Amino acid sequence: AQSVTQLDSQVPVFEEAPVELRCNYSSSVSVYLFWYVQYPNQGLQLLLKYLSGSTLVKGINGFEAEFNKSQTSFHLRKPSVHISDTAEYFCAVSVRSGSEKLVFGKGTKLTVNP
Amino acid sequence: ETGVTQSPTHLIKTRGQQVTLRCSSQSGHNTVSWYQQALGQGPQFIFQYYREEENGRGNFPPRFSGLQFPNYSSELNVNALELDDSALYLCASSFEAPGANVLTFGAGSRLTVL
Repeated sequence: AQSVTQLDSQVPVFEEAPVELRCNYSSSVSVYLFWYVQYPNQGLQLLLKYLSGSTLVKGINGFEAEFNKSQTSFHLRKPSVHISDTAEYFCAVSVRSGSEKLVFGKGTKLTVNP
Repeated sequence: ETGVTQSPTHLIKTRGQQVTLRCSSQSGHNTVSWYQQALGQGPQFIFQYYREEENGRGNFPPRFSGLQFPNYSSELNVNALELDDSALYLCASSFEAPGANVLTFGAGSRLTVL
């Protein structure tokens, strides 16, 4: 079975500061990795995904993440955040079997303060 | 692309009642998944339908059931509602093809059970 741990439930930062949201996963098989963002009263929007190839993945809105197989991590980063980045961020994994079942972490609430 | 639409957006039921939630998948998507997101938690996989057949199920009791129709719409039915069923229910669609499939999520139906 797969599991995802998001190490921080809340991350407050000031506008224009860098941010890193941490994600570790556990799986006995190879996985695909995803980051989703959820704005208040909305569904989930895909930020980026790692399927294979380069371990540094760039997504929308200036976010990027790095897959580290040895540390089983997939941390999300942004060099300079905006007020509009305030949202809940979810890390998720799915196994490489063609199944689309996503296993999500509990989420990290990012709050960007002026 | 029309995206994924869900209805109703909010509803209130009492314990023991039954509820039907509806989802219209993105055009061309033949796979639909349903997730339950309790307050403060990440989404949890309920089940997936592919070509109108159940194609994977999470750890949910049989009183959670679903249907997928040829026109890409789908339903989630929950019988004998319990207080713990209060949650945001998310529908997600995708087009199954070899490799990882990116899910397109709807905005969700928020169910409150009193």
